Amino acid sequence: DTGVSQNPRHKITKRGQNVTFRCDPISEHNRLYWYRQTLGQGPEFLTYFQNEAQLEKSRLLSDRFSAERPKGSFSTLEIQRTEQGDSAMYLCASSPAGDSGNTIYFGEGSWLTVV
Amino acid sequence: QKEVEQNSGPLSVPEGAIASLNCTYSDRGSQSFFWYRQYSGKSPELIMFIYSNGDKEDGRFTAQLNKASQYVSLLIRDSQPSDSATYLCAVSDQGGKLIFGQGTELSVKP
Repeated sequence: DTGVSQNPRHKITKRGQNVTFRCDPISEHNRLYWYRQTLGQGPEFLTYFQNEAQLEKSRLLSDRFSAERPKGSFSTLEIQRTEQGDSAMYLCASSPAGDSGNTIYFGEGSWLTVV
Repeated sequence: QKEVEQNSGPLSVPEGAIASLNCTYSDRGSQSFFWYRQYSGKSPELIMFIYSNGDKEDGRFTAQLNKASQYVSLLIRDSQPSDSATYLCAVSDQGGKLIFGQGTELSVKP
């Protein structure tokens, strides 16, 4: 399977703990995106990379959230000191280029439950 | 704040009918428009994209774009129960990231 791969698929953590999600994009895609989605809402943009460069980060994103893409391949999203409001599906997506109009393809998502 | 607006629904149509899903967007400079389908508990799946004014057809799906009215729609002909899902409208900004609406829940009744 050459689609976007995310893991873990499900994570239950206690409030205050740190969690990390990993995303492996489609191999020839140099753009990688992170979104967050809660029940009844559309995906909310968090951040994106072109190769290893983080080009944009949502202003809504708390400083407890950090993302990296160290070698321009896989990416990690870390949430520090988790809160119950962080419970959501975290979606990774990739696209082949930076031009507006290139479609993005989502992974299966990583579900986070903070208890 | 760039926005994409959709009616949350639910929109209920009988099997075999045409389902019409609508979306408006605020950024007049937007160039690319996308429709994703999302089944409950799953991630969004791309259905169609459209760049130019007018209609674009793919099987039972037709996307319609009117940039002057900042309006994009998705028509699903011969709706099937398997089409029951949430449909997400997304607009690409100048940097290429997608901004999503809240989604419209579609229910197709047998």
